[in-house]
Amino acid sequence: DSGVTQTPKHLITATGQRVTLRCSPRSGDLSVYWYQQSLDQGLQFLIQYYNGEERAKGNILERFSAQQFPDLHSELNLSSLELGDSALYFCASSVDGSRDTQYFGPGTRLTVL
Amino acid sequence: TQLLEQSPQFLSIQEGENLTVYCNSSSVFSSLQWYRQEPGEGPVLLVTVVTGGEVKKLKRLTFQFGDARKDSSLHITAAQPGDTGLYLCAGDSIGMADKLIFGTGTRLQVFP
Repeated sequence: DSGVTQTPKHLITATGQRVTLRCSPRSGDLSVYWYQQSLDQGLQFLIQYYNGEERAKGNILERFSAQQFPDLHSELNLSSLELGDSALYFCASSVDGSRDTQYFGPGTRLTVL
Repeated sequence: TQLLEQSPQFLSIQEGENLTVYCNSSSVFSSLQWYRQEPGEGPVLLVTVVTGGEVKKLKRLTFQFGDARKDSSLHITAAQPGDTGLYLCAGDSIGMADKLIFGTGTRLQVFP
């Protein structure tokens, strides 16, 4: 158990819908990262937040957004969902920046029908 | 776009065999990490290498960082079924603040 929790574990929804994925970092970790893992693209970095502020952006679509709240939990919002958005979404946390060890949560499996 | 290519993509071997997984890039990384991911779980960090030419051992696993810090290898001696999983390398690239670039992955299956 990494100490990072993600909910829900599975999510099935239809195209065009909107979903919210939630992540609680390890106690004491200030940074939260979101990744997307699909069969054809591998593990792709989406976005990082540090202590409530966006710190780094990766291959995140405009239909996706994220935020980190004062209690340091984070949410990833995916809207206007397409079939290609089906993937595993991982959250990771670290004490500070990416040069610290990142601890990954168990992931949320999103299926868009 | 920085890319980390891993080879092989898939590896299926018998228990007791040795294997090597390669992670290559044309870019220089300030450090490189290896993760193992099991089905239904997130990646778990195995090791971080930071110095060109560095070799680290973790029981039957040996990790090496290339002299030029562009490539790395993972060697497993006497593989066991418990080694089965997806192995990912990830580079912490110079000048790309707080971004980890993940490799394409090597899926290892060890049969008893």
